[in-house]
Amino acid sequence: AQTVTQSQPEMSVQEAETVTLSCTYDTSENNYYLFWYKQPPSRQMILVIRQEAYKQQNATENRFSVNFQKAAKSFSLKISDSQLGDTAMYFCAQPEAPGAQKLVFGQGTRLTINP
Amino acid sequence: KAGVTQTPRYLIKTRGQQVTLSCSPISGHRSVSWYQQTPGQGLQFLFEYFSETQRNKGNFPGRFSGRQFSNSRSEMNVSTLELGDSALYLCASSAGGFTGELFFGEGSRLTVL
Repeated sequence: AQTVTQSQPEMSVQEAETVTLSCTYDTSENNYYLFWYKQPPSRQMILVIRQEAYKQQNATENRFSVNFQKAAKSFSLKISDSQLGDTAMYFCAQPEAPGAQKLVFGQGTRLTINP
Repeated sequence: KAGVTQTPRYLIKTRGQQVTLSCSPISGHRSVSWYQQTPGQGLQFLFEYFSETQRNKGNFPGRFSGRQFSNSRSEMNVSTLELGDSALYLCASSAGGFTGELFFGEGSRLTVL
């Protein structure tokens, strides 16, 4: 079974700092997608960024970027110039199987951005 | 395009009762999934429906059931509620395809007393 592990239950940084959230996963597939989802205190989970495994280039979305290490099965999220609105739970996730609509989630990292 | 809509947002039930939660997916999305979120267990997959058929099911007892209608709207039902069923129930819809990307609703917060 796929597993996704987030080793940092909580993190806290000052506004404008850079923060990196860690995630490791386990899969026997060669091509797959990985996701970071954000769940603000208002609760709606939204997609932050996704990475396709066969692409060597790390995905970037504005202040959010990933460090994807396929061999190490590591998928960390970097948030640059952090803002108060980045305060949220962050979940790393991968589909149970290629094309499956079932996601396997990590336990989440509660990130707090302090003013 | 409207997002995923879940109703009700909050509800309180007592042990032994049953509850029905509703989810309207994004227009055009045919896959609807349900997740249970609790502080202790995190996000756990309940089931997925596609074109009115249950396509995948998580490890939950038979008290948890669901269905999908021809317009892709979905409902989940929990019978004989237990205290441990208190959770945030999240619905997600998907257009299908290889990515597995899901779009979530705001959830239904169920409290069982």
